[in-house]
Amino acid sequence: KAGVTQTPRYLIKTRGQQVTLSCSPISGHRSVSWYQQTPGQGLQFLFEYFSETQRNKGNFPGRFSGRQFSNSRSEMNVSTLELGDSALYLCASSLNLPSYEQYFGPGTRLTVT
Amino acid sequence: GIQVEQSPPDLILQEGANSTLRCNFSDSVNNLQWFHQNPWGQLINLFYIPSGTKQNGRLSATTVATERYSLLYISSSQTTDSGVYFCAVEMNTGGFKTIFGAGTRLFVKA
Repeated sequence: KAGVTQTPRYLIKTRGQQVTLSCSPISGHRSVSWYQQTPGQGLQFLFEYFSETQRNKGNFPGRFSGRQFSNSRSEMNVSTLELGDSALYLCASSLNLPSYEQYFGPGTRLTVT
Repeated sequence: GIQVEQSPPDLILQEGANSTLRCNFSDSVNNLQWFHQNPWGQLINLFYIPSGTKQNGRLSATTVATERYSLLYISSSQTTDSGVYFCAVEMNTGGFKTIFGAGTRLFVKA
């Protein structure tokens, strides 16, 4: 069974631009969560989607948004990029909610210049 | 809010040595996972262990939920065990959220 895939793997953007990251969960998994990893803040929860609905959201500004499609694939969008948005963005999928084991994708490394 | 603390923050071992990594959490949690992050950033599942003890080869883990801690044991360490080990807990505060500890950075010397 294929694992979680994320595209693109690497991205360089300029301040003020926006970016869209994509995540395809493991086949049959219905929940997708997003995390941001930075050296200073560690791994932080962004949001979680289940059956196309956002179930929970972390403490991030409204510039960070996401959605989930009917096939469980998810996208996250960051608008008006700031230097501090440079990070590794990780997506995880799980079979169901709640409290199922999460499996992570390889991440998208975003650099904002 | 809930806090997740991992210790030690850094660990250097000689190949073949054993080690114990600890994860303390400040409130009751729904589940707990241990991950190993490789140098390329990939988080690899080690254990899904909300309670009890599990073993997988040279690795084993124990979670004592009533006392709010989990331990990850690495025996006969190898250089390929190097990386960062994270514990992650899930809590329900009107919605399910996963919180990661800061990690233990392990370096195994040949």
